[in-house]
Amino acid sequence: EDQVTQSPEALRLQEGESSSLNCSYTVSGLRGLFWYRQDPGKGPEFLFTLYSAGEEKEKERLKATLTKKESFLHITAPKPEDSATYLCAVQGWGSSNTGKLIFGQGTTLQVKP
Amino acid sequence: EAQVTQNPRYLITVTGKKLTVTCSQNMNHEYMSWYRQDPGLGLRQIYYSMNVEVTDKGDVPEGYKVSRKEKRNFPLILESPSPNQTSLYFCASSPRVANTEAFFGQGTRLTVV
Repeated sequence: EDQVTQSPEALRLQEGESSSLNCSYTVSGLRGLFWYRQDPGKGPEFLFTLYSAGEEKEKERLKATLTKKESFLHITAPKPEDSATYLCAVQGWGSSNTGKLIFGQGTTLQVKP
Repeated sequence: EAQVTQNPRYLITVTGKKLTVTCSQNMNHEYMSWYRQDPGLGLRQIYYSMNVEVTDKGDVPEGYKVSRKEKRNFPLILESPSPNQTSLYFCASSPRVANTEAFFGQGTRLTVV
């Protein structure tokens, strides 16, 4: 069964304190791994798609990396506006014909000034 | 502006009273889906549609119906809502079925009493 586990559940950082969020996945053939950001009361907002081990993507202070078993979202010198819940999702070959995304529970990040 | 629009944003209803949550996208996307988000369970797919008149069940379809008569609209219908359908609902659309980012609506918070 396809499964996604994110850790930690919650993370508090001081502004400027870099850290990483983890997404471990089990899927029968990875079609794509997606990172989303969700602000309170809003829908998930797309950040990155990673397709194969070794791939990296960057956007401002965020960098996503992928191995065969997990993905990391690195946050460099975070600012308070980076506070949000970060969701990881996978799509496997088995579900590629349904378009279904399997989501993790998310990591809620709070960055204090 | 590219967007997925859901209505209503908030709804409180009574058990058994039929309701419809509307979803519309302006990006000419083929693929649309509905998710529900519950604490501790994350986002789970309810129904999806690959194109006009093509719909199928996701992981948690019981108690829900959908239709796709036009490409842009994908309403979610609860024929006889029950308290266990109290949840936060998201509509999403993607250019195609697989390997692509999903755009999410703002969400509909439904309470069934």
